Amino acid sequence: DQQVKQNSPSLSVQEGRISILNCDYTNSMFDYFLWYKKYPAEGPTFLISISSIKDKNEDGRFTVFLNKSAKHLSLHIVPSQPGDSAVYFCAARHTGTASKLTFGTGTRLQVTL
Amino acid sequence: EAQVTQNPRYLITVTGKKLTVTCSQNMNHEYMSWYRQDPGLGLRQIYYSMNVEVTDKGDVPEGYKVSRKEKRNFPLILESPSPNQTSLYFCASSLGSGVFNEQFFGPGTRLTVL
Repeated sequence: DQQVKQNSPSLSVQEGRISILNCDYTNSMFDYFLWYKKYPAEGPTFLISISSIKDKNEDGRFTVFLNKSAKHLSLHIVPSQPGDSAVYFCAARHTGTASKLTFGTGTRLQVTL
Repeated sequence: EAQVTQNPRYLITVTGKKLTVTCSQNMNHEYMSWYRQDPGLGLRQIYYSMNVEVTDKGDVPEGYKVSRKEKRNFPLILESPSPNQTSLYFCASSLGSGVFNEQFFGPGTRLTVL
């Protein structure tokens, strides 16, 4: 049972445009959400996070939006750059489970010139 | 440099031959975890450890063992590997089990079991 879903396995965006990566979750007990970025032959690296008490968090070109009623979050990258080409994983933390994270299946973003 | 290291990075083995994948972190982190990444399934947690001598099962623990005798090390043991354990494995650590502790990941170990 996939509690965190990333329904788009891949996304292609032109350099300079906006990239929007989506993530849906089913468990209402998730209280903290994170995005990780992964390059080939490397481990995932933390990108940005958001608490369930907020609906938006911004860090430079990266913004995460959370819609709790829809159980949906999205990562916006503006403007997209070729170095953003990577696999992006959405992850969620269950209330009371400390550092345990449940990950989505990932979306491969390709930023073209 | 703060990091999580894993060894080996690549391993090809045969069914039934015991193996250990090592994981070490130099950040004095309390929490450590092992994940496997498979196509279409994302990252799934195998085992985790809240501190020395404290370990617990994750979502897919079958066929794996772990130990946490020292704070910095968290080896993953496959006593009798099978082909369905062919995967990309990641070790991760975080400062503690509290709120908002991001996890730092190692570079991964690609395991093939023939």
